[in-house]
Amino acid sequence: QKEVEQDPGPLSVPEGAIVSLNCTYSNSAFQYFMWYRQYSRKGPELLMYTYSSGNKEDGRFTAQVDKSSKYISLFIRDSQPSDSATYLCAMSAPNFNKFYFGSGTKLNVKP
Amino acid sequence: SQTIHQWPATLVQPVGSPLSLECTVEGTSNPNLYWYRQAAGRGLQLLFYSVGIGQISSEVPQNLSASRPQDRQFILSSKKLLLSDSGFYLCAWTKNNSPLHFGNGTRLTVT
Repeated sequence: QKEVEQDPGPLSVPEGAIVSLNCTYSNSAFQYFMWYRQYSRKGPELLMYTYSSGNKEDGRFTAQVDKSSKYISLFIRDSQPSDSATYLCAMSAPNFNKFYFGSGTKLNVKP
Repeated sequence: SQTIHQWPATLVQPVGSPLSLECTVEGTSNPNLYWYRQAAGRGLQLLFYSVGIGQISSEVPQNLSASRPQDRQFILSSKKLLLSDSGFYLCAWTKNNSPLHFGNGTRLTVT
């Protein structure tokens, strides 16, 4: 079993839709949870960073962590064509030197 | 603020030639440094990471090596490239349980 599972998509939605991206994980030691956005031929860009459980909101983006279910989500409200990219989830634990990534979900927002 | 520089952006090399990719971080000291490889449409594969000068951990035994000659410099090398070394190489840094921050990557094509 992989440490982190993420549906690769692709996910295609119309402009203005609410997008839900999800990852599941197996290691209960994970405490730090990240979402990255990666445009084609670019490095991943950090979108959201949360510690432990709960929600975090930043503009149109909301990150949720449910540690009891080992499940994390990223919601994008009022999606725009510029949101079209691959979204990667990542996680780590205190004093771990490694980060564990999902395989990425490719999102296409149609005008 | 911290910045990460990675070069070159693209590289085309013949099979059997050597490789040297360089990454430097500015604005912080004693970061953890990472090299990842991303195959087309695939997730991130951790190649090497370093927690200090001269300290290298290898995650995948292969044709590549890494060195950290200075605190904020991380080098990825190969003596003889293989076709299978083609990919998108990403350098990243972190410190004190902060999220990973990536460079813009090097797209390597081995012909």
